[in-house]
Amino acid sequence: DAKTTQPNSMESNEEEPVHLPCNHSTISGTDYIHWYRQLPSQGPEYVIHGLTSNVNNRMASLAIAEDRKSSTLILHRATLRDAAVYYCILRGFSNSGGSNYKLTFGKGTLLTVNP
Amino acid sequence: DADVTQTPRNRITKTGKRIMLECSQTKGHDRMYWYRQDPGLGLRLIYYSFDVKDINKGEISDGYSVSRQAQAKFSLSLESAIPNQTALYFCATSEGGNYGYTFGSGTRLTVV
Repeated sequence: DAKTTQPNSMESNEEEPVHLPCNHSTISGTDYIHWYRQLPSQGPEYVIHGLTSNVNNRMASLAIAEDRKSSTLILHRATLRDAAVYYCILRGFSNSGGSNYKLTFGKGTLLTVNP
Repeated sequence: DADVTQTPRNRITKTGKRIMLECSQTKGHDRMYWYRQDPGLGLRLIYYSFDVKDINKGEISDGYSVSRQAQAKFSLSLESAIPNQTALYFCATSEGGNYGYTFGSGTRLTVV
């Protein structure tokens, strides 16, 4: 499985933007970049995913480098409820239409949000 | 009600006992998974099922078994619990394709 590298921890202030980086230099052409987050005492929660183009949804934005070897999850205005561990995961997708079933979780980035 | 419900939320059991963790979902997804999380580590896949008649081992299936009773129900059993199976267990569901997973809130299992 292609691996991802994330900082162990980051800190932000409430109502400020947060940029969470992820390096994935061995990404293959069929790998999608997925982000999940895990709030304290809860199961992981899907945040966003993308392949090549930048993506936006109600939770966050995903900026993908042109060479796809890195990506950044952007929380536009951090709140205290965004304090969580954020996981960047590569998930393959075959040309035959099947997806890689397995999500391989690393240690993620622990985001602390200060009031 | 939660989309993915796990029971019990917490359980303490003794070494050697058989224990079952249950998972039910209202998402209508065919694919279901069991993951384990240990402190400071990411989630690791135990078993997965793509439909009622399909059961597959994940990366750490030894000491565990599963049952897919219906599309909506997927149970994980520890036949003879041991202390190093103390962990947080998560059930998840997904559609086919490249959609995101939906996780339950987890079962915290302690084996003493």
